[in-house]
Amino acid sequence: GQNIDQPTEMTATEGAIVQINCTYQTSGFNGLFWYQQHAGEAPTFLSYNVLDGLEEKGRFSSFLSRSKGYSYLLLKELQMKDSASYLCAVRDRDYKLSFGAGTTVTVRA
Amino acid sequence: ETGVTQTPRHLVMGMTNKKSLKCEQHLGHNAMYWYKQSAKKPLELMFVYNFKEQTENNSVPSRFSPECPNSSHLFLHLHTLQPEDSALYLCASSQAQGDNSYEQYFGPGTRLTVT
Repeated sequence: GQNIDQPTEMTATEGAIVQINCTYQTSGFNGLFWYQQHAGEAPTFLSYNVLDGLEEKGRFSSFLSRSKGYSYLLLKELQMKDSASYLCAVRDRDYKLSFGAGTTVTVRA
Repeated sequence: ETGVTQTPRHLVMGMTNKKSLKCEQHLGHNAMYWYKQSAKKPLELMFVYNFKEQTENNSVPSRFSPECPNSSHLFLHLHTLQPEDSALYLCASSQAQGDNSYEQYFGPGTRLTVT
């Protein structure tokens, strides 16, 4: 099984940068995903890492270190609409996704 | 994004009722999933169907019964539920389980309250 940890809550100011860390322990690894979920809505895919390093996609970037069992999601130039829950998920060798409990990010003006 | 739809969006049922949740995907995918999302807890995978065959039952109680008549539709039949089953039930789809296509697309969920 998987053990996935991420902070429960984070608060930041509009225009700032926030980094959401995720650590995992897994018996098999086949990729790490970040999803965004606004309250009352479906989770939507943000990023995918399977090799070590940084993946950049606009204002969002995701980093992976497989040897450390560690990832982070970096949100730059925060906007009010970025207030949401961010879910870290690890896919195992059987292609099953296991999710962390999510980090609720609140962006303040 | 309306690729995956779920009905109803909200459901209140008593412990002796029988109800069904419906999921439909319009993405041409072959794998479909049921997840349970409880407050402050991680999404829990419940069932996986790949090309209409059930490939995963994550130790889910028998009061939850899935059905996948074709690759576009997925149902979750509910009977004699408990109050602790109250949660958001999310459906998702992907190209196929085991495919390198990595995204799962989620529906908006059904908010279930068991009284």
